[in-house]
Amino acid sequence: IAGITQAPTSQILAAGRRMTLRCTQDMRHNAMYWYRQDLGLGLRLIHYSNTAGTTGKGEVPDGYSVSRANTDDFPLTLASAVPSQTSVYFCASSQKQGASEAFFGQGTRLTVV
Amino acid sequence: GQNIDQPTEMTATEGAIVQINCTYQTSGFNGLFWYQQHAGEAPTFLSYNVLDGLEEKGRFSSFLSRSKGYSYLLLKELQMKDSASYLCAVDQTGANNLFFGTGTRLTVIP
Repeated sequence: IAGITQAPTSQILAAGRRMTLRCTQDMRHNAMYWYRQDLGLGLRLIHYSNTAGTTGKGEVPDGYSVSRANTDDFPLTLASAVPSQTSVYFCASSQKQGASEAFFGQGTRLTVV
Repeated sequence: GQNIDQPTEMTATEGAIVQINCTYQTSGFNGLFWYQQHAGEAPTFLSYNVLDGLEEKGRFSSFLSRSKGYSYLLLKELQMKDSASYLCAVDQTGANNLFFGTGTRLTVIP
């Protein structure tokens, strides 16, 4: 089934630990995004990639890094997790950046304790 | 920059019609999206407006006025399964992503 897949679906992580959230799409979309969703704040962009080999910072990039080695994969890494990074993380992809329907993964619920 | 406003919560009765408003202020506008998000699930695409006017898709319609910075999502013949959050998102000129409002949580009651 074509789509976008995230792993893990949920995780409890000790503060200070390193964690990589995985995201894979099989729609051959050029653009990919990582958002976090928090109550009252909506979806906020962490990092994006317009095409394989390029990445950019979004609205809330601090404490996160990404890579885009190929079209399909866009992992998000928390180098040293802090409790304020407790959130639901959504990976998304679209054919091109901006005016193009975005498809979202099912989300990763991360709790940092 | 951009500023997107939606009501936080709305309640409507099964079978009725509900209108969810979204106002935006943005430096350059390319289009507006509406997404539906059920609790604990991913957002899913509902509609896209780039020109002024009404776009109809079954029970759902979306309206845009670019001059007023205003859009609404109209849901007709409400069903219990329409209980969800509805997210307004703006495509800003030169931006690399969509900017989302905080969403409107709609509760449909019998």
